[in-house]
Amino acid sequence: NAGVMQNPRHLVRRRGQEARLRCSPMKGHSHVYWYRQLPEEGLKFMVYLQKENIIDESGMPKERFSAEFPKEGPSILRIQQVVRGDSAAYFCASSPPGTNSYEQYFGPGTRLTVT
Amino acid sequence: KQEVTQIPAALSVPEGENLVLNCSFTDSAIYNLQWFRQDPGKGLTSLLLIQSSQREQTSGRLNASLDKSSGRSTLYIAASQPGDSATYLCAVRGNRKLIWGLGTSLAVNP
Repeated sequence: NAGVMQNPRHLVRRRGQEARLRCSPMKGHSHVYWYRQLPEEGLKFMVYLQKENIIDESGMPKERFSAEFPKEGPSILRIQQVVRGDSAAYFCASSPPGTNSYEQYFGPGTRLTVT
Repeated sequence: KQEVTQIPAALSVPEGENLVLNCSFTDSAIYNLQWFRQDPGKGLTSLLLIQSSQREQTSGRLNASLDKSSGRSTLYIAASQPGDSATYLCAVRGNRKLIWGLGTSLAVNP
């Protein structure tokens, strides 16, 4: 059973471009979480999705950021018109359906650099 | 609002020493607590997961305890090695999401 996969591992974008980060959860997992780690800061929750539904987006910036988890295919975190402050490591985690006591399994992260 | 604090922020010890990292949280209504390791510029390695009904978990030289009522967890590392040098992160699982501490940066000197 492959682990959580994220791609690309490293992404460089110029200011104003769009960034698309992909996350494929572990097999059998239908819950996906995105977290962001800004330089010299702690990890912060961004969004929690189930298949075709956004359950909690309380950590998402109000503008330029969106996330989806379609019925088929990976979860996508999309950042439009990137700015230097978006440079960070973005981690995706997945868990099986069920209770909140299940462990979240993390992918290797995507490191976004905005130049 | 849940807040997670890790003390100390940084720790430097000689090889072979036993050490304790501390994590405290303000809201005891948690589902579980996880300890992670992060090497510079790298991803997250899960070390131990303690469910809210458990008191401790052990893996090799690592032992994590949880006192939910007092809002505390400790990670005990026995016989530390230079390869243990990394940042150790504590995260508590509330409703739907993990809330993270800022971590303890550990350096084990040969």
